[in-house]
Formats: sequence, structure tokens, C-alpha cells
Amino acid sequence: QKEVEQNSGPLSVPEGAIASLNCTYSDRVSQSFFWYRQYSGKSPELIMSIYSNGDKEDGRFTAQLNKASQYVSLLIRDSQPSDSATYLCAAASNTGNQFYFGTGTSLTVIP
Amino acid sequence: DAGVIQSPRHEVTEMGQEVTLRCKPISGHNSLFWYRQTMMRGLELLIYFNNNVPIDDSGMPEDRFSAKMPNASFSTLKIQPSEPRDSAVYFCASSFDRGMGNSPLHFGNGTRLTVT
Repeated sequence: QKEVEQNSGPLSVPEGAIASLNCTYSDRVSQSFFWYRQYSGKSPELIMSIYSNGDKEDGRFTAQLNKASQYVSLLIRDSQPSDSATYLCAAASNTGNQFYFGTGTSLTVIP
Repeated sequence: DAGVIQSPRHEVTEMGQEVTLRCKPISGHNSLFWYRQTMMRGLELLIYFNNNVPIDDSGMPEDRFSAKMPNASFSTLKIQPSEPRDSAVYFCASSFDRGMGNSPLHFGNGTRLTVT
């Protein structure tokens, strides 16, 4: 199993809907997880960090971490066309000085 | 905070030429990473440094690739000789490693390399 696995999508949702992005991880990662958004032709941009079991909300974004099931998810409420991008899930290694990235999920929000 | 600064933004070169990519990490960050991104292979870690010391270069494709970090504010990734299959976007990223694994990576804008 890869350290971080992500549904590659693509995922399409209508404007205003909730977009749900999911990621699973192996025992080789620590308990620090990050979601990055990458627009086409741009660099990955950090949008959420989560370290504790449960939910963390920031505006329209909610990150969820379930340590028992080893998954982390990102919910985007009231999706907007400007949310259309590739979303990368990342986790720090157990040693803390390396990062593992998923392959990314392409999201399209349809107006 | 100026963020991670990479240069050049675009590089077009002919096969066999030497290419040097440059990176200035965020001030105060002690870890620096070089990634390569292609459509086929996604984001690949090439090498990372901690306190200017290379820690893991297992992702460097072959001897044609080399990276240096002579000081805390500068790093280079060199490809010599370059080949068309090296065409990709190369990202530099930095973080502040407290040894706890909870500091995220911050990426530069990348260098788009095209080798013809």
C-alpha cells in the first residue's frame, strides 16, 4: 500500500453542492495531514491542515480525520466554479521530515 | 513574507545542455524539497535537505541530476546533460521542521522546463 492514496476522480459537482474528496493512509505516516489546491499551471497551495481526530472547519472547507479508519477527507460546501482545481492530500512521515502526496483529485464545479 | 522564490519561471533548452534551477526558501525554514511534476507521474520527490544537509536523494532519477544547498537561503538543482524526458515542472518547497512533522510545505511557483 502506498503511504497516501487518493481517489483520482475526476469529480464533477453542480454549483452550490457539497464536494467530497477522500484520502486513505498507511501506518508509515504521522498524524499530520494537509490538503493542497492546485489550479492548472500553478503551484500547490495549502488550504487546510489537520492533526487531531475529528473535524476542522475553515470557511466553506471542512477537513475530517478518522484515525481508526485511517482516512482523511475534505468537504467543500456551496461549491463554486472557482473551486475547480486538483486537490492533493499530503501526510508527513513518521520521522516528520518527509511528505507523502496522493495523486490528486480533479474537481470540476459546473455552473 | 515573500514565499519560496524559484527562478527561472520557464526554461527552454536543447538536449545535451546544462540546466540550473534555483530556489530561495522562506526565511527561517530549515527544510527544503525539490519535486518534479508531470501529468503521467504526478508529484515526485527528488531530494530534500534539512539544515542544508541532503537527507534523502533516492528520488533523483540518475547521475545527470545533482542538487546543492550551500547555505540556508539558496539551493540549486542541476541537470547535465538534459534530455527531452526531463521536461516537467520542477517545484521547490520549504518548511520549518520541528521534528514533530506538523509544519506544512510551502511551494514556490515552479520552473517549467522544456528540453527539445
